[in-house]
Amino acid sequence: EAGVAQSPRYKIIEKRQSVAFWCNPISGHATLYWYQQILGQGPKLLIQFQNNGVVDDSQLPKDRFSAERLKGVDSTLKIQPAKLEDSAVYLCASSLFSRGALHFGNGTRLTVT
Amino acid sequence: TQLLEQSPQFLSIQEGENLTVYCNSSSVFSSLQWYRQEPGEGPVLLVTVVTGGEVKKLKRLTFQFGDARKDSSLHITAAQTGDTGLYLCAGDRGSQGNLIFGKGTKLSVKP
Repeated sequence: EAGVAQSPRYKIIEKRQSVAFWCNPISGHATLYWYQQILGQGPKLLIQFQNNGVVDDSQLPKDRFSAERLKGVDSTLKIQPAKLEDSAVYLCASSLFSRGALHFGNGTRLTVT
Repeated sequence: TQLLEQSPQFLSIQEGENLTVYCNSSSVFSSLQWYRQEPGEGPVLLVTVVTGGEVKKLKRLTFQFGDARKDSSLHITAAQTGDTGLYLCAGDRGSQGNLIFGKGTKLSVKP
């Protein structure tokens, strides 16, 4: 089966600019997650979708981060405006059902200068 | 505070050696997952342990879930260079929230 697709792979922006990441999960996976992985740390959950509804966004900095999952398939994560501390790898993952095994994409490495 | 503590943080060994890495918490988890992440890639699930005291083997990798379901260990026998990577444990707190990841153990196996 095709894996989780993410784009772009790398992005460099200046602080206060905006950026968007895209994720296409594994076909048929109802649950989609966005994680932030700062260098030297484990992934931190930003938001979890079940189909096109938000299940958990408690750790999403909602003043600058937003995410949507159109038609319960693809998802975009946006940061506006970006801060230096947003530099990280943004990982998208999907699972067949909530609490099922996570399948991760290769991530987008964001550098904010 | 880090809910899941992984140790050691870094480990560098020679090919053929054995090693054990640990994942500890004061919280009880309904299940615990181990992932391996290679540079530039996303984490890949290795195993899920569910029952306290459970032991699972994956070729040269042996995973154990503590009796109280608060800790876990990963033992690698006769490490190979292909085992190099970041090993992450992730605990499921069930109704109390989503998966919590540790910071990982970065393993380097030298030829």
